[in-house]
Amino acid sequence: GAGVSQTPSNKVTEKGKYVELRCDPISGHTALYWYRQSLGQGPEFLIYFQGTGAADDSGLPNDRFFAVRPEGSVSTLKIQRTERGDSAVYLCASSPTRRGVVGNEQFFGPGTRLTVL
Amino acid sequence: KQEVTQIPAALSVPEGENLVLNCSFTDSAIYNLQWFRQDPGKGLTSLLLIQSSQREQTSGRLNASLDKSSGRSTLYIAASQPGDSATYLCAVTPGAQKLVFGQGTRLTINP
Repeated sequence: GAGVSQTPSNKVTEKGKYVELRCDPISGHTALYWYRQSLGQGPEFLIYFQGTGAADDSGLPNDRFFAVRPEGSVSTLKIQRTERGDSAVYLCASSPTRRGVVGNEQFFGPGTRLTVL
Repeated sequence: KQEVTQIPAALSVPEGENLVLNCSFTDSAIYNLQWFRQDPGKGLTSLLLIQSSQREQTSGRLNASLDKSSGRSTLYIAASQPGDSATYLCAVTPGAQKLVFGQGTRLTINP
């Protein structure tokens, strides 16, 4: 079946601009995660959705970052007033996690490479 | 705060050798540990998932062990092949619905 998909695969923008990154999870997966991976580093957690609600947004670096999942499927990560330090690969993952259960396997998409000039 | 460390950062070995990648974590209160593979410019592929109650998992030429009390995991790759060249990441699930990753080990298998 189809895996996690992310669009665009690459995004180049100028400092100060607004960007949206999209994630389409595996059908039926209730949990969705966003991570950010800088060059040479492991991914770092940003936000976790269970259904439509953000259950844990403790990894968002500041209020320029925001994510939504209005219908419990596709999610959009939004970054306002982009800075050069936002340049990274943004990874999305989904899992069939159910409320109250911790630690189900996460399946990752190919990522969106964001470059802020 | 949970921290995950992977040693070495890079490893280069001849084809056919058996090898071990190491992962350590600072807090033993984890739900599980996952090993991932990442090819250049690609996403992460899950290789093995070890629940906290398990000691090891095997898949083909791969074997992962977990010693939760000492905060260590190893990924053993038998009879390495050039196609195994990639970055290998380990990640733990602490008491929350998220993964905490190590920095990865970049593995090169030379033909």
